[in-house]
Amino acid sequence: DTGVSQNPRHKITKRGQNVTFRCDPISEHNRLYWYRQTLGQGPEFLTYFQNEAQLEKSRLLSDRFSAERPKGSFSTLEIQRTEQGDSAMYLCASSLGSSGGDSYGYTFGSGTRLTVV
Amino acid sequence: AQSVTQPDIHITVSEGASLELRCNYSYGATPYLFWYVQSPGQGLQLLLKYFSGDTLVQGIKGFEAEFKRSQSSFNLRKPSVHWSDAAEYFCAVGASGGSYIPTFGRGTSLIVHP
Repeated sequence: DTGVSQNPRHKITKRGQNVTFRCDPISEHNRLYWYRQTLGQGPEFLTYFQNEAQLEKSRLLSDRFSAERPKGSFSTLEIQRTEQGDSAMYLCASSLGSSGGDSYGYTFGSGTRLTVV
Repeated sequence: AQSVTQPDIHITVSEGASLELRCNYSYGATPYLFWYVQSPGQGLQLLLKYFSGDTLVQGIKGFEAEFKRSQSSFNLRKPSVHWSDAAEYFCAVGASGGSYIPTFGRGTSLIVHP
């Protein structure tokens, strides 16, 4: 297993265009998280899946953002009508969660850096 | 709601010197606590984690952290810093119940002088 994979690594888009990012988690991990990180800040939670179910969404996830995890495997994060404020690193993480919590830690991908011009 | 404070935005140390990065958390019950390291343009790598048991946790790359419940702290330490340790360090708290979503601090940037 090569860990959490994110594609593309970099994306430059014009304001108003739609973009889609992909995350492939560690295969046996049932939980998947999306975070956004801007310069000089820690990662901010966007949304979380357990298997294919999207269980929680942050206030940061406006209606221009949508995430899916069909069949509980890979996940996509789409941003519609991008704005310059969407420029950030988008990080995906996965974990093997149980009823006792994610005590094993969260494995992060290398992220997708989005630049909106 | 849980929160994490990393009071130091930047820390500068000389190579070979000891290091301590501070982390304070707020959470009503027993937390899960993590330290991650991020090199420029990269994702986050887990250094160590605490969820129960011994309050002194050993991690990778020679790092350790101590959970002090009375001080709500989980400070990261290393006895002798190497130039390759220069990076951004993030402390995170995950709830031991509920949705388990980790909350991150804003990070501490470590600068290592030769």
